[in-house]
Amino acid sequence: EADIYQTPRYLVIGTGKKITLECSQTMGHDKMYWYQQDPGMELHLIHYSYGVNSTEKGDLSSESTVSRIRTEHFPLTLESARPSHTSQYLCASSGGWGYTFGSGTRLTVV
Amino acid sequence: DQQVKQNSPSLSVQEGRISILNCDYTNSMFDYFLWYKKYPAEGPTFLISISSIKDKNEDGRFTVFLNKSAKHLSLHIVPSQPGDSAVYFCAASETGGSYIPTFGRGTSLIVHP
Repeated sequence: EADIYQTPRYLVIGTGKKITLECSQTMGHDKMYWYQQDPGMELHLIHYSYGVNSTEKGDLSSESTVSRIRTEHFPLTLESARPSHTSQYLCASSGGWGYTFGSGTRLTVV
Repeated sequence: DQQVKQNSPSLSVQEGRISILNCDYTNSMFDYFLWYKKYPAEGPTFLISISSIKDKNEDGRFTVFLNKSAKHLSLHIVPSQPGDSAVYFCAASETGGSYIPTFGRGTSLIVHP
């Protein structure tokens, strides 16, 4: 049973649309992360948060933004989607050294 | 510049045999290492980890070996099962730093019945 939930699982959207990818966890973890991953490539950290009202950019530059208003919720927003944003987006949370990942959102921008 | 390298994109083994997945790292500050398993269209799941104070950690069919001098770790799966077919990611972190793991590109393991 998953303790970290991502919705939607799949999303196909047109160029220029605004989208929000949802991520929620029920474990009470302070630390949450967003990764972007393409097939055959490493997971790239794009955003992270160490607690409410704390957000930081990761190693990979991203046009997305995040917010952390509640401990359990860490949504990612793209104001204007482009084909270059097509990828899998993985949300994770951590209460120690390991991560718990969500099932991911496969985003396709056409 | 990849700090964590998994040089084999894929590996194919027969059911019942040993699978050995390799990982090299370049940052000598890394001192905690993790392996994750990922099925298609799913998020990675934690498999096993090892601290730099140890050279081996075992959990059932999975054993991770760490060679600090060579900056090399490996994951052994014995015996391999068809359900082990997945992409395996190696990750390394620096416990004295941000401890956010750096991931490799993964190795796709296929276990044939």
